[in-house]
Amino acid sequence: QVQLQESGPGLVKPSQTLSLTCTISGGSIISGSNYWSWIRKPAGRGLEWIGRIYITGTTDYNPSLKSRVTISVDTSKNQVSLMLTSVTAADTAVYYCAGDYTQLGFDPWGQGTLVTVSS
Amino acid sequence: DIQMTQSPSSVSASVGDRVTITCRASQGISTWLAWYQQKPGKAPKLLIYAASSLHSGVPSRFSGSGSGTDFTLTISSLHPEDFATYYCQQGDSFPFTFGPGTKVEI
Repeated sequence: QVQLQESGPGLVKPSQTLSLTCTISGGSIISGSNYWSWIRKPAGRGLEWIGRIYITGTTDYNPSLKSRVTISVDTSKNQVSLMLTSVTAADTAVYYCAGDYTQLGFDPWGQGTLVTVSS
Repeated sequence: DIQMTQSPSSVSASVGDRVTITCRASQGISTWLAWYQQKPGKAPKLLIYAASSLHSGVPSRFSGSGSGTDFTLTISSLHPEDFATYYCQQGDSFPFTFGPGTKVEI
């Protein structure tokens, strides 16, 4: 079945850019949901939807992060990427990618990757 | 944004108990409500979508109900592997939002 794996630096300095990649395996990125979302969970806090991308490149972002977020897709590599600029300690979280079925929920999820913002 | 609340925030239960978790949306979301289970160090898993539809592979002891603003997740008979945190999530409008979670513990 389709599996997702997030990758990227685990430590980012304040004011710098967080960059993560989600690799989809066991199936094509253009099958199934066709939408792919990024979601994060800061320690001790709830889940926050960051944004999503359709396989054509159309994006939707959470307004609270929109000015700092870019999500992109590379269908040839079966990958979705996340960039978050001007990070602060408040961006420290476990970041997940997930298949996005819009009104029908997120499935599957990657295992998540912890990103710490610290100097 | 649509605000999601859950009650209780935590519940102590025993194997075999029936557990009900409530989720409330700040405005009507029809039946665009999903439930997830998350265990420590693991990713959330989809249990229920469209308020009452059981995701593939999820045991039938899990059920969901509700529409509009009020929803429930019921575990009919707790199994040891069900001790986890449960989240609701609305898929009605952007930005998608999650409830704060309900921890089911012994």
